[in-house]
Amino acid sequence: GAGVSQTPSNKVTEKGKYVELRCDPISGHTALYWYRQSLGQGPEFLIYFQGTGAADDSGLPNDRFFAVRPEGSVSTLKIQRTERGDSAVYLCASSLTQRAEAFFGQGTRLTVV
Amino acid sequence: AQSVTQLGSHVSVSEGALVLLRCNYSSSVPPYLFWYVQYPNQGLQLLLKYTTGATLVKGINGFEAEFKKSETSFHLTKPSAHMSDAAEYFCAVLSGGYQKVTFGTGTKLQVIP
Repeated sequence: GAGVSQTPSNKVTEKGKYVELRCDPISGHTALYWYRQSLGQGPEFLIYFQGTGAADDSGLPNDRFFAVRPEGSVSTLKIQRTERGDSAVYLCASSLTQRAEAFFGQGTRLTVV
Repeated sequence: AQSVTQLGSHVSVSEGALVLLRCNYSSSVPPYLFWYVQYPNQGLQLLLKYTTGATLVKGINGFEAEFKKSETSFHLTKPSAHMSDAAEYFCAVLSGGYQKVTFGTGTKLQVIP
């Protein structure tokens, strides 16, 4: 596709459930980032992939959060035992290389009830 | 460490007036600096970026920003506001040794007719 695609655009889940958020980066982009944007805040870094490997996962808040990118393209952010505090917009971005311009998807709005 | 401070979470200007959105950064090494815009229910879009070279950077939609090392600032300006400029603007920094862009908390720009 022409841009970064994130699915679903909206996700409502019950507290304690497991969710998966998907990101399709721009074709050929080796770098992929996940950010979380809470209401009234700027995006906060979660994890950065270079190819298939997580080069920096220092932003993941705890071990309930995990992300994969098995073939170096599509990435999935996984959240176990969701909590109400996980409610936010999860943004994915990709770039051709690490220091090139990052293109953002429209985000997945996660609501935990 | 790297950080970004955006002064003013909300800024209102009249249509046709000067737009000035303030951003100060902290970085121990020469930074890359960015301004992103986020329209309602849309993803982040890069307005402009400073990497090296000319300190006055021109971006899309008539915006520009000037990197001032002595003031550690990267303020965003536009000579004449348009109604379509109403959005949230984020300043961001990427500095050496880090693989993640750090965002400010954002400034919502309101344009009054």
